[in-house]
Amino acid sequence: QKEVEQDPGPLSVPEGAIVSLNCTYSNSAFQYFMWYRQYSRKGPELLMYTYSSGNKEDGRFTAQVDKSSKYISLFIRDSQPSDSATYLCAMTPGGGNKLTFGTGTQLKVEL
Amino acid sequence: GAVVSQHPSWVICKSGTSVKIECRSLDFQATTMFWYRQFPKQSLMLMATSNEGSKATYEQGVEKDKFLINHASLTLSTLTVTSAHPEDSSFYICSANRPSGGSQETQYFGPGTRLLVL
Repeated sequence: QKEVEQDPGPLSVPEGAIVSLNCTYSNSAFQYFMWYRQYSRKGPELLMYTYSSGNKEDGRFTAQVDKSSKYISLFIRDSQPSDSATYLCAMTPGGGNKLTFGTGTQLKVEL
Repeated sequence: GAVVSQHPSWVICKSGTSVKIECRSLDFQATTMFWYRQFPKQSLMLMATSNEGSKATYEQGVEKDKFLINHASLTLSTLTVTSAHPEDSSFYICSANRPSGGSQETQYFGPGTRLLVL
């Protein structure tokens, strides 16, 4: 079993839809959780960064962490075609430790 | 957000030659940088952790004599692919750790370097 599980998709939604992206993990030591967006042939771009359980909102993006269930989510409201990309979850125990990534979910927002 | 640059953005070389890729943190100092490679439609694979002023730590299965890493300053790490072969063709991405409060650092990624070995 992988430390971090993420559905690779592809996930196709109409413009304006609410998108839900999820990851589950098995290592209870993970404390810091991140979501990255990666466009084709580009480096990943940090979208959201959260510590421990709870919600964090930034514009159309909301990140949720449920440590009791070892489950994290990224919600995208009013999705746009420009949101079409691969979304990677990543997590770490902290203290400068390396990140553990999910495999990434490919999202396509259609007109 | 923080800015990390990579140079070159793409390179084509002949088999047997060596290629150097630079990774720079432009607006912060990074004591730790990471090097990843990514094959098409796959996630990032960590190759090594680069620490300023000390030897890099390589992940299992990564040949340290083939992938030479130098982190000579707080803003620059280099990856040299020695005696490159076609199977080394990939997308190489670096990241740099930026302090974000407390004991945690946040990783910011460079734009990647596409290497094609003929």
